[in-house]
Amino acid sequence: ELKVEQNPLFLSMQEGKNYTIYCNYSTTSDRLYWYRQDPGKSLESLFVLLSNGAVKQEGRLMASLDTKARLSTLHITAAVHDLSATYFCAVDDRGGNKLVFGAGTILRVKS
Amino acid sequence: DAGVTQSPTHLIKTRGQQVTLRCSPKSGHDTVSWYQQALGQGPQFIFQYYEEEERQRGNFPDRFSGHQFPNYSSELNVNALLLGDSALYLCASSLGLASFHEQYFGPGTRLTVT
Repeated sequence: ELKVEQNPLFLSMQEGKNYTIYCNYSTTSDRLYWYRQDPGKSLESLFVLLSNGAVKQEGRLMASLDTKARLSTLHITAAVHDLSATYFCAVDDRGGNKLVFGAGTILRVKS
Repeated sequence: DAGVTQSPTHLIKTRGQQVTLRCSPKSGHDTVSWYQQALGQGPQFIFQYYEEEERQRGNFPDRFSGHQFPNYSSELNVNALLLGDSALYLCASSLGLASFHEQYFGPGTRLTVT
């Protein structure tokens, strides 16, 4: 059974600082997603990572995937308050678009 | 181009009642998946419909059932509601079953069971 673990579960950051969220998963998969969720809202797709070594960047967020280590990272550069949200990684279970989500990382950026 | 839509937005039910949630997929999509997100947790896969048949199912009891219509829209039915069924229910649509087509999530239905 595929398991997805995120850490940390809660992250309080100062504006302007850098930090990384980690996502580990237990079995082979060919697709990993990162989502953002604001309180009471649905999921906003941030990145889709398809292959080993994939790196994608959008603004202050950069995601990478190491399929051999079964590890993805979401790096936050020079955090701003608008990045405060909950971030989820999700892994496709056996290629059928059945996503297994991590528990989420609550990010709070303090000014 | 309309994205994934869900109705209703919010719903309050009493324990033991039954509820039906609805989802219309993004234009051009033919596959619908349902997820349950309890407060403070990540979404959990309930089941997936393609060609009007349930194709995959997560670890949810038979009280959770679904249906897909010829126009690809879908319903999620929950019988004998429990307090623990209170959650945000998310619908996601995609083109076909293969994972190289990304899923798009709807806005969700917030179900409260009292």
